[in-house]
Amino acid sequence: GQNIDQPTEMTATEGAIVQINCTYQTSGFNGLFWYQQHAGEAPTFLSYNVLDGLEEKGRFSSFLSRSKGYSYLLLKELQMKDSASYLCAVSPFSGGYNKLIFGAGTRLAVHP
Amino acid sequence: SQTIHQWPATLVQPVGSPLSLECTVEGTSNPNLYWYRQAAGRGLQLLFYSVGIGQISSEVPQNLSASRPQDRQFILSSKKLLLSDSGFYLCAWSPPQHSNQPQHFGDGTRLSIL
Repeated sequence: GQNIDQPTEMTATEGAIVQINCTYQTSGFNGLFWYQQHAGEAPTFLSYNVLDGLEEKGRFSSFLSRSKGYSYLLLKELQMKDSASYLCAVSPFSGGYNKLIFGAGTRLAVHP
Repeated sequence: SQTIHQWPATLVQPVGSPLSLECTVEGTSNPNLYWYRQAAGRGLQLLFYSVGIGQISSEVPQNLSASRPQDRQFILSSKKLLLSDSGFYLCAWSPPQHSNQPQHFGDGTRLSIL
């Protein structure tokens, strides 16, 4: 079966660093995506990892370990606008389409 | 640049009524298209995906159907809505023939069944 686990909720302080973990067990692996979703809005793409290691994009970084079935999203210098849900999604198949399996998301609350 | 349009933004429908949600993509050809449903506080559940005109794959048995009458148009339908069809419906697209490209989402339709 396909399974993706993330913590349900996290809280952090403005200006701090937070790490959101994601573990996955899927029938195949062709990459892992992180999305941000503000309440009532559509998800927006943040990052993509297919090889082991760290990908950095400004205040956001994402790490992948394929052997451990593990990824994390690191958010630095937190701002109030970072309060949102963060969705981890795995692409289990290679081929001509991108069928993603999504985790339930981690709701992050940033406090002053 | 590519854009995706989804409408309506909100919809309130009685049980047993029909449904039609429409999604169109601009600025790309032969996109992969997807319909998702998100229940309150839950993750995204893939309902249908399409790699071309008239080609629809269904992920879960349900009261809904999808059609792709044109290259960049994707429609989600139901003949008779159930209470359990309530939720946030999202259309998404990704580039053709590239499984490592992210999906990009429309603004979604919030459907309430009374």
